[in-house]
Amino acid sequence: DAKTTQPTSMDCAEGRAANLPCNHSTISGNEYVYWYRQIHSQGPQYIIHGLKNNETNEMASLIITEDRKSSTLILPHATLRDTAVYYCIVRASSSNTGKLIFGQGTTLQVKP
Amino acid sequence: KAGVTQTPRYLIKTRGQQVTLSCSPISGHRSVSWYQQTPGQGLQFLFEYFSETQRNKGNFPGRFSGRQFSNSRSEMNVSTLELGDSALYLCASSLGELSSSYEQYFGPGTRLTVT
Repeated sequence: DAKTTQPTSMDCAEGRAANLPCNHSTISGNEYVYWYRQIHSQGPQYIIHGLKNNETNEMASLIITEDRKSSTLILPHATLRDTAVYYCIVRASSSNTGKLIFGQGTTLQVKP
Repeated sequence: KAGVTQTPRYLIKTRGQQVTLSCSPISGHRSVSWYQQTPGQGLQFLFEYFSETQRNKGNFPGRFSGRQFSNSRSEMNVSTLELGDSALYLCASSLGELSSSYEQYFGPGTRLTVT
């Protein structure tokens, strides 16, 4: 699975959009981009995933660049409850194992 | 649908003892994965069980073991506990079938403290 690079930390004002970048320059054609988040001392929570098209669900939007070397997770209207560590993970679609490789993630602090 | 449950939530053990942690996956999920989370190493994959068979294993010593039962519930065991085993142990469940999308659902974790 390809390696990902994320900023260590980011701040966002409450009510504004939070844009969290992820670099995955070595991603291969069959690898998906997954986003999880972990609120302090809880288990990680699945947010969204995508292959090459932009994706949106009730939690967030995922924008993947055309060359697929980077992506951005967008929380459209951040709230204080969105303060968490956000993990970007790349995983092969052909893999049938439950092994996720977590990096250090981005600590998002939403401020009032 | 009930989420992933883990018991106990908190545990204090002494060096040299052994411990067993339990995980009940979401109904219908056949895969259970275990992770260890520490401040220094972050989230690290321990192993995955699917249909009572270990399907993948992380880079941990043999003191860490697990098993899965026919109802998909899983246990992990750590023998001869060391101080460095103090961590949050997380369990995640998923459908487990070969699929292009693979969402894992995590439990709240078991906080193990070794003294």
